[in-house]
Amino acid sequence: AQSVSQHNHHVILSEAASLELGCNYSYGGTVNLFWYVQYPGQHLQLLLKYFSGDPLVKGIKGFEAEFIKSKFSFNLRKPSVQWSDTAEYFCAVNAGDTGRRALTFGSGTRLQVQP
Amino acid sequence: SQTIHQWPATLVQPVGSPLSLECTVEGTSNPNLYWYRQAAGRGLQLLFYSVGIGQISSEVPQNLSASRPQDRQFILSSKKLLLSDSGFYLCAWSVIEGAGAFFGQGTRLTVV
Repeated sequence: AQSVSQHNHHVILSEAASLELGCNYSYGGTVNLFWYVQYPGQHLQLLLKYFSGDPLVKGIKGFEAEFIKSKFSFNLRKPSVQWSDTAEYFCAVNAGDTGRRALTFGSGTRLQVQP
Repeated sequence: SQTIHQWPATLVQPVGSPLSLECTVEGTSNPNLYWYRQAAGRGLQLLFYSVGIGQISSEVPQNLSASRPQDRQFILSSKKLLLSDSGFYLCAWSVIEGAGAFFGQGTRLTVV
């Protein structure tokens, strides 16, 4: 079974600072990787995803993530955060070599951007 | 376009009472459907998933059950709620491999 670790539970940044949120997964087979965001009071939304091809994927709102297979990592980055990026971010994985498609989530990282 | 409806948004129930949370999806056929629970500081835990009508897989042993009486309807139930059932419950659907899942607004359940 797969598992996901997000080591940063709470991150506080000032506007314009750069962001990198760590995500590591454990699974020996092919994986699909996702980052979801949950803004205060809103439902989970897909930020970006990787399932094949270029390991550097770009998502909405200037976010990107890089899949490094040798490190089992899929870190989320943004060069300059805004106050509106304050939210909780979840990394998720599903096994690409099964038809199950259910996502396994990390525990989430709460990002607080101060103006 | 596809939409997912989940209700109610909030629910307060006494211990020992029954539970029924409903989720419906529109605009797609034969989706995979999921129930997750989100506990504070613990991320999302998969409770049940379904690949078709009447087909339910349970991920963790618990006081809850799920049913899929129609293609786009997924119900989470309990006969007798426990205090530990309190949490935020999310329904989700997916169709295409690699496309991720789409989530409903969630139900915040408080068992008192």
